[in-house]
Amino acid sequence: QVQLVQSGAEVKKPGASVKVSCEASGYTFTTYAMHWVRQAPGQRLEWMGWINVGNGDTKCSQKFQDRVTITRDTSTSTAYMELSSLRSEDTAVYYCARVAYGLGSYSFDYWGQGTLVTVSS
Amino acid sequence: SSELTQDPAVSVALGQTVRITCQGASLRSYYATWYQQKPQQAPLLVIYGKNNRPSGIPDRFSGSSSGNTASLTITGAQAEDEADYYCNSRDSSGNHVWVFGGGTKLTVL
Repeated sequence: QVQLVQSGAEVKKPGASVKVSCEASGYTFTTYAMHWVRQAPGQRLEWMGWINVGNGDTKCSQKFQDRVTITRDTSTSTAYMELSSLRSEDTAVYYCARVAYGLGSYSFDYWGQGTLVTVSS
Repeated sequence: SSELTQDPAVSVALGQTVRITCQGASLRSYYATWYQQKPQQAPLLVIYGKNNRPSGIPDRFSGSSSGNTASLTITGAQAEDEADYYCNSRDSSGNHVWVFGGGTKLTVL
């Protein structure tokens, strides 16, 4: 069965960086895109960016363009999201999600369990 | 970038029908997908494409679309359907970005 397992919770100081991992299993890693979504406490889902796992191309939301780096390691079926210059507003749960295309739509069909990143001095 | 607009909150009596809507320019080009999120849980895909349910999603959930508006309908709402619901689609600007709606909190009375 498809599983996305994310790394554990992190506590970071303002200005630091955090790198969250997402290990995929149960499917061919390179045939699906991987997206990253975050959710601040009590807030909406916010799309951050995605990676074409097959060729490594990435695209990020303009909001995060200068601070987020999305990569993947096909040898370990793991995707990564690194966010730099952290500030308190980046405190959130970060999710990876596999995206499938079918029947006319892109759907985030499997999600990781989420990684809580807390930014605090 | 385009936005998707949802009503912040909707309520429904147990066993009744409720419709949750999502409006945005991108919905003229792409179908919305719908996600259910319960507290402290990851979102769960409930509707994708024109009106498709993943395996395990009850058939009381259905989707529809007209123009720039997509709808999620729950026919015969159950107590366990109380959750936040988010719509999502690819942005139609051609920039290969995606967008989520603001979410609708569904209360089952």
